[in-house]
Amino acid sequence: DTEVTQTPKHLVMGMTNKKSLKCEQHMGHRAMYWYKQKAKKPPELMFVYSYEKLSINESVPSRFSPECPNSSLLNLHLHALQPEDSALYLCASSLLSTGRETQYFGPGTRLLVL
Amino acid sequence: GEDVEQSLFLSVREGDSSVINCTYTDSSSTYLYWYKQEPGAGLQLLTYIFSNMDMKQDQRLTVLLNKKDKHLSLRIADTQTGDSAIYFCAEIPLFMTTDSWGKFQFGAGTQVVVTP
Repeated sequence: DTEVTQTPKHLVMGMTNKKSLKCEQHMGHRAMYWYKQKAKKPPELMFVYSYEKLSINESVPSRFSPECPNSSLLNLHLHALQPEDSALYLCASSLLSTGRETQYFGPGTRLLVL
Repeated sequence: GEDVEQSLFLSVREGDSSVINCTYTDSSSTYLYWYKQEPGAGLQLLTYIFSNMDMKQDQRLTVLLNKKDKHLSLRIADTQTGDSAIYFCAEIPLFMTTDSWGKFQFGAGTQVVVTP
């Protein structure tokens, strides 16, 4: 089973709303990732959790807040977003062992900020 | 600019072979990947190659790696309409460290259009 699930599939929110994106994997992976992808562009890495420890991409605004409740779950809390934050948000996970670090991606949450 | 470069578009006839090219700059990358993304979907891992290999074949897919020129290619034999998608090559470091942020690199993606 190489499945990463994400909910919701679609989300529309206003600039004053607070919402959360959820990601889950049951492959025993110890690294989980959030990416942002604009149309026709490659994914851009936002955050990485490895062994539930966060590494931050300094360029990501503080209105995005990740949370890793346990090694299987990854959340992305959204607050006071801007219309330019509208994008496909992809979650991925990898095993984090010596050897290849193949990342497996979820289907994404398509976010529209009005 | 990006460290991983790809041609942006490829048109191929159904049944022909497709070749998607990628160049990368980080010679320390241990694994190089090909992902496929269909419209509205996430990224699907197609294949990967370890840097001490020069070729890997997996059914219709053949990956060639020229480490000297830092050139990676993906050949799809007998291309089908279901192969129409965007293909990303990616270099991902073996171990993630705070110094590796810049090394999580995807190419811009090659849009492959398969015509009947």
